[in-house]
Amino acid sequence: DIQLTQSPSSLSASVGDRVTITCRASQIINVFLNWYRQKPGKAPELLIYAAINLQSGVPSRFSGSRSVTEFTLTISSLQPEDFATYYCQQSFISPRTFGQGTKVEIK
Amino acid sequence: EVQLLESGGGLVQPGGSLRLSCTASGFTFSTSAMSWVRQAPGGGLEWVSGGPTSYSDSVKGRFTFSRDNSRSTLYLQMDSLRAEDSALYYCVKEAYTGGSFYFDSWGQGILVTVSS
Repeated sequence: DIQLTQSPSSLSASVGDRVTITCRASQIINVFLNWYRQKPGKAPELLIYAAINLQSGVPSRFSGSRSVTEFTLTISSLQPEDFATYYCQQSFISPRTFGQGTKVEIK
Repeated sequence: EVQLLESGGGLVQPGGSLRLSCTASGFTFSTSAMSWVRQAPGGGLEWVSGGPTSYSDSVKGRFTFSRDNSRSTLYLQMDSLRAEDSALYYCVKEAYTGGSFYFDSWGQGILVTVSS
């Protein structure tokens, strides 16, 4: 199975901060990496698909990038609703694995 | 608007069975890929099944994925349940664009608790 390792596991930030979360895959997965945000007590929601594509309706402060097996989710200016847990997920091969999550907390 | 409504969860003893259902609306269910994803209390996300021949190792041989396109309903038959199967189970619609799959719509989840 493909392993996805997210870093950091948690971080503290303030409203307006720029935040970067990294997801490293255990093997080449091309661009088949997606990002989700899960607010407390809610279902996850899709932010970015295929590494760099912003899902319809998602604010432009979210962006994704890729360098070989390392993927990055960037939030350019953190908003109150962004304090949540973020997950990466690969769709290159079954089983569709997720990273362990990154919790973004209020500083 | 896509809606996914799970039902059938609850408390079951170890070794018991449950069948989860997910009723879908707002999209063409018959042509859409679907999956089940679960989340243990306080834990991360785990993909469970994405088709009748596609299962995670942790549930293979115990869980059965099925769908009734005429009823726009997805099912997950869960047998030989274990304590570690306790989780919130999400019904998820999978989209496909340019060769890439992704989970674009999620239900609110249904809780399964396996305990004596």
